[in-house]
Amino acid sequence: QVQLQESGPGLVKPSETLSLTCTVSDGSISSHYWAWIRQPPGKGLEWIGYIYYNGFTNHNPSLKSRVTILRDTSKNQFSLHLNAVTAADTAVYYCARDPVGSGSMDVWGQGTTVTVSS
Amino acid sequence: QSALTQPASVSGSPGQSITISCTGTPSDIGGYDYVSWFQQHPGRAPKVIIYDVSHRPSGVSIRFSGSKSGNTASLTISGLQAEDEADYYCNSYTSSSSVVFGGGTKLTVL
Repeated sequence: QVQLQESGPGLVKPSETLSLTCTVSDGSISSHYWAWIRQPPGKGLEWIGYIYYNGFTNHNPSLKSRVTILRDTSKNQFSLHLNAVTAADTAVYYCARDPVGSGSMDVWGQGTTVTVSS
Repeated sequence: QSALTQPASVSGSPGQSITISCTGTPSDIGGYDYVSWFQQHPGRAPKVIIYDVSHRPSGVSIRFSGSKSGNTASLTISGLQAEDEADYYCNSYTSSSSVVFGGGTKLTVL
């Protein structure tokens, strides 16, 4: 059974870059689609973006050019980099698998809380 | 892209049925049969309960069902149980190959 685990700093300063890694176990990131989703405190879910099985990426246009999603197939990991963060980027960040890239995320990490504060 | 529209809250008594709506546009819900629904209990990661409008993943109760008409998708929960009390989110694939979520609906079992 595939498992996902997010890791990274829990505190990031304003204007800096938020970087998180998702480690995938018992499954290959060279198959399926891999997503980042976030949830601000007390609010709803927001799709951040995908990295596809072939390395192609797609992200939420509302985040403009602040988002970069990368992968390391040798480590079976993919990562999120969000630059120029503000307090509005404070959220629980989830990574998830989407079998066909249609929004049907079927396996989720437990989530990691990131706070943007000086 | 604008979030899909869901009611902020719904409630029902044990044994009853409730329906949660999720309204989008022709560029998302209306254009594709790629609507998913997620259940989220406090402090937990979301769990997919419906995908591709009306399909249930293995292990999900048959009390959960989904449908779509035009730009609006719906999730129906029959035979409400206390354990169904949670937040529910819809999402849809979009014409820009992205995904958009609804704002979420809090279900209270009275």
